[in-house]
Amino acid sequence: DAGITQSPRHKVTETGTPVTLRCHQTENHRYMYWYRQDPGHGLRLIHYSYGVKDTDKGEVSDGYSVSRSKTEDFLLTLESATSSQTSVYFCAISGGIGQGAIGSYEQYFGPGTRLTVT
Amino acid sequence: DQQVKQNSPSLSVQEGRISILNCDYTNSMFDYFLWYKKYPAEGPTFLISISSIKDKNEDGRFTVFLNKSAKHLSLHIVPSQPGDSAVYFCAASASGTYKYIFGTGTRLKVLA
Repeated sequence: DAGITQSPRHKVTETGTPVTLRCHQTENHRYMYWYRQDPGHGLRLIHYSYGVKDTDKGEVSDGYSVSRSKTEDFLLTLESATSSQTSVYFCAISGGIGQGAIGSYEQYFGPGTRLTVT
Repeated sequence: DQQVKQNSPSLSVQEGRISILNCDYTNSMFDYFLWYKKYPAEGPTFLISISSIKDKNEDGRFTVFLNKSAKHLSLHIVPSQPGDSAVYFCAASASGTYKYIFGTGTRLKVLA
């Protein structure tokens, strides 16, 4: 199993408060991703990173920001949480050395963080 | 506009029979496809992948077929086992983008 941990695993917060979720990897993979999973929507990409300090937006990036100051950590921040951000959040990694053909990599997912905004 | 579609939200199959899960895509730039399995309260687990240079890839009981002209892929599980009961997601990527678009998932139930 890829070494990916997410913290916290569960969080309940109030509308308007800031929230930061952490993803930590021990695999030295280049790419890191944040997804949210909601019923009827599958997994939707929020932001991803292709290297330290290099990030880009995904499909549903509004209301979220990310930071990656070192290879192993990728942080997702909700500046002011809203009830629509209640979801399960998954971190994923890909792009390890020797993994897949050039331009194509499998992704490996963390265990998820269940966030409830009340 | 959903670029990756799994039109069957659920599927029930008898143990020992074949399970066929389908996925359609619209973006002709996609050239790498993956299937994931997800159990409740866990992260998705990578199952099998296929690149557009192939039309079939097999790994044990799992086979993925790709029909590029129809922009369609399918996952075959033979024989199906109760432990295969899970939600299955297909995902697609275009080379060099390292971004993955997921379908909405199909819940497979294998009946003992």
